[in-house]
Amino acid sequence: AQSVTQLDSHVSVSEGTPVLLRCNYSSSYSPSLFWYVQHPNKGLQLLLKYTSAATLVKGINGFEAEFKKSETSFHLTKPSAHMSDAAEYFCVVSERGFQKLVFGTGTRLLVSP
Amino acid sequence: DAGVTQSPTHLIKTRGQQVTLRCSPISGHKSVSWYQQVLGQGPQFIFQYYEKEERGRGNFPDRFSARQFPNYSSELNVNALLLGDSALYLCASSIRDGNQPQHFGDGTRLSIL
Repeated sequence: AQSVTQLDSHVSVSEGTPVLLRCNYSSSYSPSLFWYVQHPNKGLQLLLKYTSAATLVKGINGFEAEFKKSETSFHLTKPSAHMSDAAEYFCVVSERGFQKLVFGTGTRLLVSP
Repeated sequence: DAGVTQSPTHLIKTRGQQVTLRCSPISGHKSVSWYQQVLGQGPQFIFQYYEKEERGRGNFPDRFSARQFPNYSSELNVNALLLGDSALYLCASSIRDGNQPQHFGDGTRLSIL
């Protein structure tokens, strides 16, 4: 069975400071890993995905994540937060080759001026 | 190009009723998946359809059913509604089966009174 654990339910940062959202995964197979963002009353937008290529994955809006097999982690980072980054972020795992996505419980990112 | 469209956007039903939610995938996408997102939680996988065949089913009761039409649009049906069925229902489409990025609609907010 696959699962992801998002280690923080809320993260607060000031605009212009770095963002770190933490995610650990558990998978019996080589996983595909994703980060999705959800703004209020909206659907989910794919930020980035890891399938099996480079361990450092660059996504949209300046976000990136590093796959660390030894630590079973896939943390999301951004060098400088913008007010528009305030949203709910989901770490997601799937078994490679299958469509079923397994979501974490989410991390709410709050950005203050 | 239009994204994934879902209808209706909001729906209010009472316990015991039946509901049908609709999803139109992105043009050219042949796979559709359905997810349930209860308030404060991550989405949970309900069904995946590809080329009109069910390819995956999550841990939901038989009251939940779905189908995909020749034009690749999809319907999710829920019978004998319970208060616990109140949630945001999300539809996602991808070009084909397997490890393909999934694009989400904005969802249907279902409230059960």
